[in-house]
Amino acid sequence: KNQVEQSPQSLIILEGKNCTLQCNYTVSPFSNLRWYKQDTGRGPVSLTIMTFSENTKSNGRYTATLDADTKQSSLHITASQLSDSASYICVVSPNAGNNRKLIWGLGTSLAVNP
Amino acid sequence: GAVVSQHPSRVICKSGTSVKIECRSLDFQATTMFWYRQFPKKSLMLMATSNEGSKATYEQGVEKDKFLINHASLTLSTLTVTSAHPEDSSFYICSARGQVDTEAFFGQGTRLTVV
Repeated sequence: KNQVEQSPQSLIILEGKNCTLQCNYTVSPFSNLRWYKQDTGRGPVSLTIMTFSENTKSNGRYTATLDADTKQSSLHITASQLSDSASYICVVSPNAGNNRKLIWGLGTSLAVNP
Repeated sequence: GAVVSQHPSRVICKSGTSVKIECRSLDFQATTMFWYRQFPKKSLMLMATSNEGSKATYEQGVEKDKFLINHASLTLSTLTVTSAHPEDSSFYICSARGQVDTEAFFGQGTRLTVV
């Protein structure tokens, strides 16, 4: 069964600190892995998209890594800001064919406190 | 990234009435639009996929007569919740994609409350 599991479920950090969020998946084969940021009451916003051949991708203070062998991905946030408080969701897109449904993780709820 | 506009952002309606939610791609042609539903602290659940000019494909367990989807143009799709019940209260999100294998962009979401 295709699954995406994220940890931790929630996280509280102080402003300015770094943090790393984890994503484990069983989707195989897959086309790409995405990290989204979802503010409360808003739609998801894409942070990074990585294909199976990419190991790392950065977007400002966000850096995602991917290990296709162990089926793990991480999202590292550097120098956190109050506006980083949100849910971070890992999403895996299965490979080709008719079944293109994205497999969504439950997300990690991040709270950045002053 | 491309812009997808969803309207309204919040709506409160009475039980038994119908509510229409619009999803527009503002700066690209959306060949495919997706409609999701999200409950508190849960992941997005795909409800249906619609291709411009075709009937929507609904996921298992989603009533097509209750959630009417229209994708009449390359920039607009609508979701109509018919005969709304309190259990239909949820956060509805659309996303739009151009060509296959390109990224899909999400709308801001619509918070529906049925009283």
